[in-house]
Order: sequence, then C-alpha cells, then structure tokens
Amino acid sequence: GESVGLHLPTLSVQEGDNSIINCAYSNSASDYFIWYKQESGKGPQFIIDIRSNMDKRQGQRVTVLLNKTVKHLSLQIAATQPGDSAVYFCAEVLKTSYDKVIFGPGTSLSVIP
Amino acid sequence: NAGVMQNPRHLVRRRGQEARLRCSPVKGHSHVYWYRQLPEEGLKFMVYLQKENIIDESGMPKERFSAEFPKEGPSILRIQQVVRGDSAAYFCASSPLSRTAEGYTFGSGTRLTVV
Repeated sequence: GESVGLHLPTLSVQEGDNSIINCAYSNSASDYFIWYKQESGKGPQFIIDIRSNMDKRQGQRVTVLLNKTVKHLSLQIAATQPGDSAVYFCAEVLKTSYDKVIFGPGTSLSVIP
Repeated sequence: NAGVMQNPRHLVRRRGQEARLRCSPVKGHSHVYWYRQLPEEGLKFMVYLQKENIIDESGMPKERFSAEFPKEGPSILRIQQVVRGDSAAYFCASSPLSRTAEGYTFGSGTRLTVV
C-alpha cells in the first residue's frame, strides 16, 4: 500500500545548530516529494519539494536530500531558530489522474533557546 | 487576498448529532481536498472534489461521511451521527490546477470534538 513514515517522532535542537529530519517512503512510483511545516493551530505550509529525478535541492536555510536506492528523504535546516519549532511532515506525491499528496506521520521539532 | 477559509474553527457535537464543516477555497481555485488529522498523527487523505464533482473519495469512510463542492458556495464535509472516533482536526486545501501539489494552500482546520 501507500505509506510514508518517519524515523524520529520528536527532535530537540539548540538554537543555532543544524536540524536533520528523516523520512522513509515505500512507493517507488512517487513523482515528487514535499516537506511541510505545521505550526500549532495551523494548517500545513509548503517548505520545499524535490522531484524524483533529483537527489538534492536547496532553499533558504533548508536542504532536502533524496536517496531513491533506500527510499529515504531528509530535511536539513541550517542555523535552527525558535521560529522553526513546529511539526514537519514529509509527503509523497503520486501521479494518479491528479497530484495526490500522501502525508507521513510527522516529526515534532523543538528549538531550545 | 484571503487564503483557504474554514469554519467553524472549533466544533463540539454530542454523539449522534451531525457535523457540517465548511471550506471556502482560495478565490479562483476550483480543486478542493479534505484531510483528517488525528492527534499526534499525520494528515490522512479523505476526498478530492472539483466544482460539482467528486473525483476521488477513496479515503472517505463508506458510511456517515459525505462531501460536496457546489457550483456556488463553499465545499461542505458532512458527518452524520458522529461518534467519539470522529474527533479530529479536519483540513481543507485548494489548488488552481489538479497537477500542482506544491500549489496546495491549506486552511487552518476545523477541530471537531465529539462528547
């Protein structure tokens, strides 16, 4: 079946350190992957995506790595700030008749000032 | 320039009552998606609708749940005869096209509590 799962449910990091959030996926047919950030009381917010034909993509302070051999995805946040505290979800996008987004269970990131 | 608007933000229903959750997509978006989030879990896909059409309802429970997106007005997720297990946050997202997952805009959700 379709499933996306995370290795670590919670992560605490010191302000200024780098954060790494990991994700495993099972569907080889995924077209691309998205990382979302969800703050308390809000809906998911798009952070960055990566196509299945890429292995790395960088944004502002964030980098996503994709290893298709082991079906593993990671999100790296540089110089983590208190405002980064949130739950992070990886999601895979399946190419059905439309872009279908399947979410993983999430990792809670807590930044220690 | 409003995003996706969901209301109510919080809804309390007694077991057996009906719950109606509303979602107004971003202006100009004709694709709506509903997800359910249980506490400490990820979002689970429920249904994808276009104006007046249900495209994919593979994540909807077979009984008691229904969704619509009429030509005019918001999308409605309806839960009849609610049970405690329906307590969750329900999120709606909209997009301008069907192939633009990176363009999904999510609302802030409706938190349903069944007592």
